[in-house]
Amino acid sequence: AQKITQTQPGMFVQEKEAVTLDCTYDTSDQSYGLFWYKQPSSGEMIFLIYQGSYDEQNATEGRYSLNFQKARKSANLVISASQLGDSAMYFCAMREMRSQGNLIFGKGTKLSVKP
Amino acid sequence: DVKVTQSSRYLVKRTGEKVFLECVQDMDHENMFWYRQDPGLGLRLIYFSYDVKMKEKGDIPEGYSVSREKKERFSLILESASTNQTSMYLCASSRIWALGADSTDTQYFGPGTRLTVL
Repeated sequence: AQKITQTQPGMFVQEKEAVTLDCTYDTSDQSYGLFWYKQPSSGEMIFLIYQGSYDEQNATEGRYSLNFQKARKSANLVISASQLGDSAMYFCAMREMRSQGNLIFGKGTKLSVKP
Repeated sequence: DVKVTQSSRYLVKRTGEKVFLECVQDMDHENMFWYRQDPGLGLRLIYFSYDVKMKEKGDIPEGYSVSREKKERFSLILESASTNQTSMYLCASSRIWALGADSTDTQYFGPGTRLTVL
């Protein structure tokens, strides 16, 4: 079974609109961390935002926020006011203690922002 | 800022060649990782290292080996390159993970090496 599921291979959004990228995860650990990365066409993975399993509030970083619903095991990334530079691949990842703390990545969502 | 560098952005090799991919980080991180990335498959962990001279197999170690002689440098070796090893290779580093799975410590990635094996 996949540990991280990103069901949207590709998405389009109009510039200046908000967009939600879906991520669901599967773990039986009580303590875990969830991450989102952005990968532009240049190839480098850029860390965006983090949510800890014990955090009661949703994480926010500028235009990025993480909609964390623990009971549903979802950690969706919300990008507000999309910009053309947001066009990229986005990866959700999880860290569990049982995996020696390594990150487990989803297959990614390709976001395209239309002018 | 954390900086992770990889020796080449693009590399073309022939089947059967021995290939070295080098990765250097400047933040004194304990952990270093090698991933390969293929379309539709996301990132898959090849090997990781949590200390000098230590290495652990990831999810897809077959056909690869690694070397970590110094803390800042982690090398990926393709002993005899094959066409199915054509891929994007990403190196990453992080502080020690033992602080807890819910630690905010993230992995920092290099720019990637796009390897083509002919």
